[in-house]
Amino acid sequence: DVKVTQSSRYLVKRTGEKVFLECVQDMDHENMFWYRQDPGLGLRLIYFSYDVKMKEKGDIPEGYSVSREKKERFSLILESASTNQTSMYLCASSWDRYQETQYFGPGTRLLVL
Amino acid sequence: KQEVTQIPAALSVPEGENLVLNCSFTDSAIYNLQWFRQDPGKGLTSLLLIQSSQREQTSGRLNASLDKSSGRSTLYIAASQPGDSATYLCAVRGGATNKLIFGTGTLLAVQP
Repeated sequence: DVKVTQSSRYLVKRTGEKVFLECVQDMDHENMFWYRQDPGLGLRLIYFSYDVKMKEKGDIPEGYSVSREKKERFSLILESASTNQTSMYLCASSWDRYQETQYFGPGTRLLVL
Repeated sequence: KQEVTQIPAALSVPEGENLVLNCSFTDSAIYNLQWFRQDPGKGLTSLLLIQSSQREQTSGRLNASLDKSSGRSTLYIAASQPGDSATYLCAVRGGATNKLIFGTGTLLAVQP
């Protein structure tokens, strides 16, 4: 079975803190994605990566950065957390860029005070 | 810009009933369409993936159809069970950006 794990299920941070969300997949997938999910807005793509050290902006990259130093690990970084970044963050991975499904992690619920 | 809409936003049915969830999208130039299930506070689980060349996919009590020309997909759940209670999301890949674009989901409650 494909397994995508995220470092924390729940996280509470203060405004201005630097926040790291980690995602690891064990299926040697090329592609990895970070989404945020908010009520009424659905899932929105923040950043994605098609290869190690490669990253591309999604639909809402502002206030975020990412790092992919190893194939299995994709990190989302909030450089200076703000209250409007309180959300559910979901990581996903896939083998094929176009055809196959994405496999999702359990999510990290982040609260920024 | 691709937009995905799911109606209804919420649905409550008695156990054993057959039901249909709807998904519509504005740009018919898609590679595929997927249906996901999300349990409260959890990640997404893929249920069915329909390629653009296909009309439907089946898995157990689930059947998903795709009509690209009209920009519609339906997820049919037969003989619903309380364990089917969850949020169901559809997502399309393709169009101008080739990214996965999600609808906001239908919250399904199956009453025992």
